[in-house]
Amino acid sequence: AQSVTQLDSHVSVSEGTPVLLRCNYSSSYSPSLFWYVQHPNKGLQLLLKYTSAATLVKGINGFEAEFKKSETSFHLTKPSAHMSDAAEYFCVVSDSPGGGADGLTFGKGTHLIIQP
Amino acid sequence: GAVVSQHPSRVICKSGTSVKIECRSLDFQATTMFWYRQFPKKSLMLMATSNEGSKATYEQGVEKDKFLINHASLTLSTLTVTSAHPEDSSFYICSARDVLAVLTDTQYFGPGTRLTVL
Repeated sequence: AQSVTQLDSHVSVSEGTPVLLRCNYSSSYSPSLFWYVQHPNKGLQLLLKYTSAATLVKGINGFEAEFKKSETSFHLTKPSAHMSDAAEYFCVVSDSPGGGADGLTFGKGTHLIIQP
Repeated sequence: GAVVSQHPSRVICKSGTSVKIECRSLDFQATTMFWYRQFPKKSLMLMATSNEGSKATYEQGVEKDKFLINHASLTLSTLTVTSAHPEDSSFYICSARDVLAVLTDTQYFGPGTRLTVL
């Protein structure tokens, strides 16, 4: 069985400063890992995913994440926060290779606040 | 890109009535669809996996007689909340797996349906 722990329920940064959203996972297999973003009253949007290829994954809107097997981590980063990045972010794990075959396991979410 | 729609986006119903939520893959075929539930300020919880032409597989703790799932075609799955009660009020989200996207094998999420039971 897999699980995901998002270490911070809320993260607040100033606009223009770096963003770090932390995620640790547990999986019996080689996991697929994802970051999704959910803006208020909007659907889930895939930011990026790791599926056993390059450990540094680049996503949309300047986000990237690094898969570290030794630390069982998949932290999300962005060099410079923008006001439009304010949203709820979910770290997600799946034991299926691309994440499509099985239901996904979501972390509890991290609410990102951007201070002007 | 792959688009998944849900209808309705919002529904308010009286306690004891049934509500049907539709999930459609608009530009791809989906042999598998998933239903999730999201409580306010909480994470998404997988409720069930819906496979076209067969019975849905429910997660532990989800009442299959209360949450009826039908996946009659490759582009449509429905979730019916039967005899709804206020505690069923939640945000219900579906996702669909693109059967032809073998290389990416990604789930695409619908925008969600907010159910309020009075």
